[in-house]
Amino acid sequence: SQTIHQWPATLVQPVGSPLSLECTVEGTSNPNLYWYRQAAGRGLQLLFYSVGIGQISSEVPQNLSASRPQDRQFILSSKKLLLSDSGFYLCASSGSSYNEQFFGPGTRLTVL
Amino acid sequence: DAKTTQPTSMDCAEGRAANLPCNHSTISGNEYVYWYRQIHSQGPQYIIHGLKNNETNEMASLIITEDRKSSTLILPHATLRDTAVYYCIVRVTSGTYKYIFGTGTRLKVLA
Repeated sequence: SQTIHQWPATLVQPVGSPLSLECTVEGTSNPNLYWYRQAAGRGLQLLFYSVGIGQISSEVPQNLSASRPQDRQFILSSKKLLLSDSGFYLCASSGSSYNEQFFGPGTRLTVL
Repeated sequence: DAKTTQPTSMDCAEGRAANLPCNHSTISGNEYVYWYRQIHSQGPQYIIHGLKNNETNEMASLIITEDRKSSTLILPHATLRDTAVYYCIVRVTSGTYKYIFGTGTRLKVLA
């Protein structure tokens, strides 16, 4: 099975500061990769997904961007954080379009 | 928008079967039904998935109606550790890779 690494586990950032969250995957090659955000007490919102290096699909217009510089590396970024960017960010990986997704432990971001 | 509808919350007595319903009335013929659960402050965990036949694994059973417009996840002997939010997901369309999570059902297993 796949192992998803995310760091940091928690992060507190001031409004207007940049952001970089990293996700790496072990145990598979050519995975589909995903970034989700979960606001407190809410469901998961799909932010970005990627089917290959350099290929990023954005689901919602927002203050965030994603990049996939390597096959098993997925990065979520922002140039200037907003208060509304606070939430629990989850990276996920799947082996193919019909396989289940494996989730990382998540990063809890608080923007003050 | 999520293509599934689930009750917001449910309670279940420890040791009893937990039956979690999900409506997916607009499901297409090639769309699978997936179930995940999320224990507080952790990433979601895959439970089971199916297309049209009932499925069973070591965690749960999935019953899909013949018209595929609804399904039920069954935890045969619920324990306190099964307390979590359970998500029913239908793949959006074939050829894409997206899973759209709804708000799920918050299952509370009572001692």
